[in-house]
Amino acid sequence: EVQLLESGGQVAQPGGSLRLSCAVSGFTFRSYAMSWVRQAPGKGLEWVSAISASGDNTYYADSVKGRFTISRDNSKNRLYLQMNSLRTDDTAVYYCAKCPPGAVPDLFDYWGQGTLVTVSS
Amino acid sequence: EIVLTQSPATLSLSPGERATLSCWASQSVSSYLAWYQQKPGQAPRLLIYDASNRAAGIPVRFSGSGSGTDFTLTISSLEPEDFAVYYCQQRFNWPPTFGQGTKVEIK
Repeated sequence: EVQLLESGGQVAQPGGSLRLSCAVSGFTFRSYAMSWVRQAPGKGLEWVSAISASGDNTYYADSVKGRFTISRDNSKNRLYLQMNSLRTDDTAVYYCAKCPPGAVPDLFDYWGQGTLVTVSS
Repeated sequence: EIVLTQSPATLSLSPGERATLSCWASQSVSSYLAWYQQKPGQAPRLLIYDASNRAAGIPVRFSGSGSGTDFTLTISSLEPEDFAVYYCQQRFNWPPTFGQGTKVEIK
């Protein structure tokens, strides 16, 4: 059974930093691209970042480019999102999502339960 | 980036009724459109990919159709567990984008 479990969400101050983690099981992690997708309170879904299976290629939404860094440790079956220079509009539930095989990580076939990031002074 | 517009915002139906949800793209996305279901407090679940392909384990009452800019998700006969919010998502152009959602509520 595919499982994804996010952690690391908490309250942070504007300008602060957080690191989210996603522990995965039930599939061969090193073979699949992964993504982060967020959902602001009461709002829709917004793709944030993605990383290829090997970690060689990374992708970012314009809204987070230069502030967030996605990475992965295939030996530990973990996905990460380093979030710097946080803004109040980064407040959201952050989901990690598995991507099916493909040229680019643009489809999301399994999702974690999410971790809440609140940016507030 | 491609904007997806979903209609209606809310659909009020009774169990057993047919649900028809629409998603319009600001430009053609060919057949690269997916549908997700999200229940309160839960993660989204992939239902349909590439306009008409059901994801693994998705019941046959869910079907998708369309191409270009106009797409439809149909639930042939609503079950109690189908009352949720549904999102469309395009992957024709980078970055992938989502619609704003349609809530299917019990009438």
